[in-house]
Amino acid sequence: GDSVTQMEGPVTLSEEAFLTINCTYTATGYPSLFWYVQYPGEGLQLLLKATKADDKGSNKGFEATYRKETTSFHLEKGSVQVSDSAVYFCALASGQFYFGTGTSLTVIP
Amino acid sequence: DAGITQSPRHKVTETGTPVTLRCHQTENHRYMYWYRQDPGHGLRLIHYSYGVKDTDKGEVSDGYSVSRSKTEDFLLTLESATSSQTSVYFCAIRDGTSRETQYFGPGTRLLVL
Repeated sequence: GDSVTQMEGPVTLSEEAFLTINCTYTATGYPSLFWYVQYPGEGLQLLLKATKADDKGSNKGFEATYRKETTSFHLEKGSVQVSDSAVYFCALASGQFYFGTGTSLTVIP
Repeated sequence: DAGITQSPRHKVTETGTPVTLRCHQTENHRYMYWYRQDPGHGLRLIHYSYGVKDTDKGEVSDGYSVSRSKTEDFLLTLESATSSQTSVYFCAIRDGTSRETQYFGPGTRLLVL
């Protein structure tokens, strides 16, 4: 069945470092792909999405490109801030939603 | 902001008692979902609804029931709470205009003693 596998954490980075969180997927059709962010004590917020191959989603300095050939949707940011500390979830939509297990990011000053 | 509220936001209850969680939306979305979030599992689908009185089971539906008597409200009931149902519960709606994107409520933290 369809599924999402994302990089396990936790990840700790210094402020202004480059961030990559890996996400790969398995799907039989042509899913939409998402990244959600969850700040402590809050619900999940949509960070970015891509609906077809080669699409790039971007928001707040974060980017992810829908790569069908490698079945990946890796999240990147060039320079992280302390305020980016959160848990990040990769997700796939193909009728139902499938979530990765989440990657906790801590950014230290 | 997708106009989703959940109540209560926190609840402590005892094993064997019934518990009902409420999800309320203000934007008339057809699809609504209940998830639970547990460490190491991400989010897992409990039940979902695709219209008034139309519901279906998700991945982890045992021990849970749902009802949707009007578009704006989706109720999740634990008939007899168990400690394994201690979790954070999220409601979500699907925005039919934006290719299956789901938007989430703030969550209910439930502790079953």
